Amino acid sequence: QQQVKQSPQSLIVQKGGISIINCAYENTAFDYFPWYQQFPGKGPALLIAIRPDVSEKKEGRFTISFNKSAKQFSLHIMDSQPGDSATYFCAASATGNQFYFGTGTSLTVIP
Amino acid sequence: DAGVIQSPRHEVTEMGQEVTLRCKPISGHNSLFWYRQTMMRGLELLIYFNNNVPIDDSGMPEDRFSAKMPNASFSTLKIQPSEPRDSAVYFCASSLRGVRLYGYTFGSGTRLTVV
Repeated sequence: QQQVKQSPQSLIVQKGGISIINCAYENTAFDYFPWYQQFPGKGPALLIAIRPDVSEKKEGRFTISFNKSAKQFSLHIMDSQPGDSATYFCAASATGNQFYFGTGTSLTVIP
Repeated sequence: DAGVIQSPRHEVTEMGQEVTLRCKPISGHNSLFWYRQTMMRGLELLIYFNNNVPIDDSGMPEDRFSAKMPNASFSTLKIQPSEPRDSAVYFCASSLRGVRLYGYTFGSGTRLTVV
């Protein structure tokens, strides 16, 4: 069973727009939530991560919003650029190291 | 740091043949993970090792799959016999156990095609 549910499966955004990807989880033991970015032909790479003691974390144009009570978190990409076109994975981890990944969102930013 | 190194990058094999995928983790990393990526199922964890010891192999699809880590710098994933449904991209990742801050470092993957 999927420990982390991710939506949408694919997303098309105009250049300059906001891209939003959502994830939900059930396991309340999860306490670390990273996002990975994957370009074609490459392995996923860590983009940004958040712990549940904060509701938001921002790094440049990328922001994670976290809602602990709803057990949901989302990635917002502001001012989306064609170079952001990639597949994005959310993930969750409890103490013990193993990450559970969402099914991925294919983002296309149209110039 | 050369990162996680996987070989081969691409493998095309006939059904029934044995396939061996190889991985060299980042030096000093003590956890190693094998993932399979498909369009339908996304990233699936197959098996992971801590300090060269297999910890959880519940994701290994069936007995045709086996993985070894004979030392800290090398791991293999073997499929014998291979089937067309095994076609996927296989990723190896490594991390420093207990240090989630840096996440996993993934290799570039092996694209396996079984015909």
